[in-house]
Amino acid sequence: EIVLTQSPGTLSLSPGERATLSCRASQSVSSSSLAWFQQKPGQAPRLLIYGASSRATGIPDRFSGSGSGTDFTLAISRLEPEDFAVYYCQHYRTFGGGTKVEIK
Amino acid sequence: QVTLRESGPALVKPTQTLTLTCTFSGFSLSTSGMCVSWIRQPPGKALEWLARIDWDDDEFYSTSLKTRLTISKDTSKNQVVLTMTNMDPVDTATYYCARTLSSGIFDYWGQGALVTVSS
Repeated sequence: EIVLTQSPGTLSLSPGERATLSCRASQSVSSSSLAWFQQKPGQAPRLLIYGASSRATGIPDRFSGSGSGTDFTLAISRLEPEDFAVYYCQHYRTFGGGTKVEIK
Repeated sequence: QVTLRESGPALVKPTQTLTLTCTFSGFSLSTSGMCVSWIRQPPGKALEWLARIDWDDDEFYSTSLKTRLTISKDTSKNQVVLTMTNMDPVDTATYYCARTLSSGIFDYWGQGALVTVSS
């Protein structure tokens, strides 16, 4: 079974800075089924990126996804106050452990 | 507009069976390519996929939980039901249902239902 490892566990940044989140798969996976979610406290996860690089409806263009094979990246170009949250990558039935983006 | 809502007991006792219902609108589970999944999240922990049912009645289960889970659908009522037997305190979690595309993408989620397992 595929394991998705996210790093770092916590990212401490200031508003306006760039965030780079990593998701590494234990074996090569199909990019078409790689997604990223954002979750804020007390809320359900929200789909940000699907197909490794396509933004979901209504997602600002400061969010971008890239990667293939075993290495995938979510980048947030300039952090807004509402972007501080936990981010998960997902491939089919497997989720990563999450990366918390917190205010420095 | 796609919406999903989970309903069920907030508290169950150890060894009891949990039954959760996902009621949805804005799509049909009789449409090719449409699926509904259940996903849970223990407090402060990561997401865990549990089960999925497809438009063509195919069912898929978590390898580690398959002996305890049953998923079913009532297309006429726009509902998907998940049952989990032999509940344990470690099953305490928020349980989400999510619309799932055949590509595996969870594109719409319910608000979640917190289930606590305690005597």
